[in-house]
Formats: sequence, C-alpha cells, structure tokens
Amino acid sequence: GENVEQHPSTLSVQEGDSAVIKCTYSDSASNYFPWYKQELGKRPQLIIDIRSNVGEKKDQRIAVTLNKTAKHFSLHITETQPEDSAVYFCAATPGANSKLTFGKGITLSVRP
Amino acid sequence: KAGVTQTPRYLIKTRGQQVTLSCSPISGHRSVSWYQQTPGQGLQFLFEYFSETQRNKGNFPGRFSGRQFSNSRSEMNVSTLELGDSALYLCASSWTGGSSYEQYFGPGTRLTVT
Repeated sequence: GENVEQHPSTLSVQEGDSAVIKCTYSDSASNYFPWYKQELGKRPQLIIDIRSNVGEKKDQRIAVTLNKTAKHFSLHITETQPEDSAVYFCAATPGANSKLTFGKGITLSVRP
Repeated sequence: KAGVTQTPRYLIKTRGQQVTLSCSPISGHRSVSWYQQTPGQGLQFLFEYFSETQRNKGNFPGRFSGRQFSNSRSEMNVSTLELGDSALYLCASSWTGGSSYEQYFGPGTRLTVT
C-alpha cells in the first residue's frame, strides 16, 4: 500500500521568511495530493491540493509542487506569519475508491 | 452548508468498557472515513464507509468496528477498551463523485480511557 513520509518533523522559521515542507510517497498510482493544516485543538483543514496532471498550484501565499518522477511533493509558504504556526499534514491517494494515506505531520513554528 | 459534526466531543471511559462515536457528514457526502490521532503518530486510518458498505479498512484490531446508515451518518464502536485507545477520533466526509476526492474533517471526539 501507499506510504507517505514527511521531512523534517519540525521546522522553525522567522516571520517573513519562506517555509518549505516536503513529502515523499511510494505508490506511483497516486494521483491526488492534499495538504491539511491543523492548529492546536482544532480539526485538520484542507488548505491546498494538487492532482497528478498538474506540476504546480498556487493560492495566495501557499503553493504546492509535484514531482511525479521523484515521487515527492512540497508545500511552499511565503511571507510566513505567526498564524501559520500549526501542524501540516500531507496525504496521497490513488483515487476516489482508495483510502487517503497521511504523513505523520510536521510542526511549523513561525518566530515573531 | 453545515460542516461535519461529531458527537460526543469528549468521553471518559474505563478499561474494558465499550464506546460508540457518531459522525454526521456534510449534506450530500456519501463517504465517511475514520481516523485515530495520537501524538507523534499522525492520522491513522481506521476505515471508510461508502453507501453503507465498508470500502476500505486500516490495520486496527477487530475491536474497532463501524457502520453507516442510509442517511450517510456513521458510527464507530470500540469494544473492550484499552488504555492505548485514548486518542482523538476524527471522521472526515467526502463526495467521491467523479474526480472529487476532497475530505473534510469533523472536530473530533476526545476519548480518554482510564
């Protein structure tokens, strides 16, 4: 089955800097890659996703890139703000009839 | 549209007891997935129900079971509770029609086993 790994497990950046979180996946059939943000005590929220027919997707300060050959995808956050501090989960799935496999999450801390 | 709801939000049970958790998906969503979240382990998949049938299953013991009703509401049951079952249990709903895979999470049920 699919295996999703996130590195590093924690990341600390200065406010205003950029943050990059990388995930790798194992199943070459995976074609949907969402990112979730979970603030302390709250539910995971879908923030951006990408499908395998697209190499990059942007939404204001966040972007996701996908490298199918290397089987990795990354979340890019520019001009980080303290409210970006949270746990970020990546996930992958081969399709709608398959389960979504999550990475273990990365804790992002933005220092003011 | 109302979001995904879960009841109860908090539960304290004793080892050996059983517990039932409930999840109401977003209106129109037919798939409900359940996850166990513990510190350091991320979101571990329990099972997914679609149109009242279990479609996918994770690697949890048979003490964990679920079901889905005709209105897409889902319940999860854990029998013979163990201390290690203490966790946040999250459900997520999705439409899974066409190429739509987005899952939306409920607030979770915090289960404490003493």
